[in-house]
Amino acid sequence: AQSVTQPDIHITVSEGASLELRCNYSYGATPYLFWYVQSPGQGLQLLLKYFSGDTLVQGIKGFEAEFKRSQSSFNLRKPSVHWSDAAEYFCAVGAGSARQLTFGSGTQLTVLP
Amino acid sequence: NAGVTQTPKFQVLKTGQSMTLQCAQDMNHNSMYWYRQDPGMGLRLIYYSASEGTTDKGEVPNGYNVSRLNKREFSLRLESAAPSQTSVYFCASKSGGETQYFGPGTRLLVL
Repeated sequence: AQSVTQPDIHITVSEGASLELRCNYSYGATPYLFWYVQSPGQGLQLLLKYFSGDTLVQGIKGFEAEFKRSQSSFNLRKPSVHWSDAAEYFCAVGAGSARQLTFGSGTQLTVLP
Repeated sequence: NAGVTQTPKFQVLKTGQSMTLQCAQDMNHNSMYWYRQDPGMGLRLIYYSASEGTTDKGEVPNGYNVSRLNKREFSLRLESAAPSQTSVYFCASKSGGETQYFGPGTRLLVL
């Protein structure tokens, strides 16, 4: 069965600083990988996804992620964080006949002014 | 398009009561899902429906039942609510491009 690990429960960065959120997955085949963001009291919004091809994928809001098969990782990055990026971020792997998602436990991002 | 809608937004139940959470999507998606979100555990899959007329168990199906009423609607039923079912419930549907779109969630408190 697949699994996703997000090692950092909570990260604090200053506005304008760079950001990297870590995600490691376990899956036997080529994974479908996703990053979602959740603002307080809201649903989940897709930031970006990776299925195949170029291992560096661009998403919305200036985010990007790099798929590294050798490290089983799919880390999320942003060069300069904005206060509005404060939210919870979830990494997920899609598998199975309906591409059911298995989520990591999430990383809460706090942005300092 | 409204996307994925869920009703109710918030519900309080007493232990042993039953209720049905409703979900509808207007994007003509084939696959629909129910997840629950608990603090520190991310989202966990309860049930899913790969297509109209089919349903399958996910990671945490115990205590729940589902009905795929038609292509648009996928309901989740708690027959006898327990405090352990206090959670936020999200419905999602999946496009042909493999992206799942989530509803706004239903907050359920079981006393």
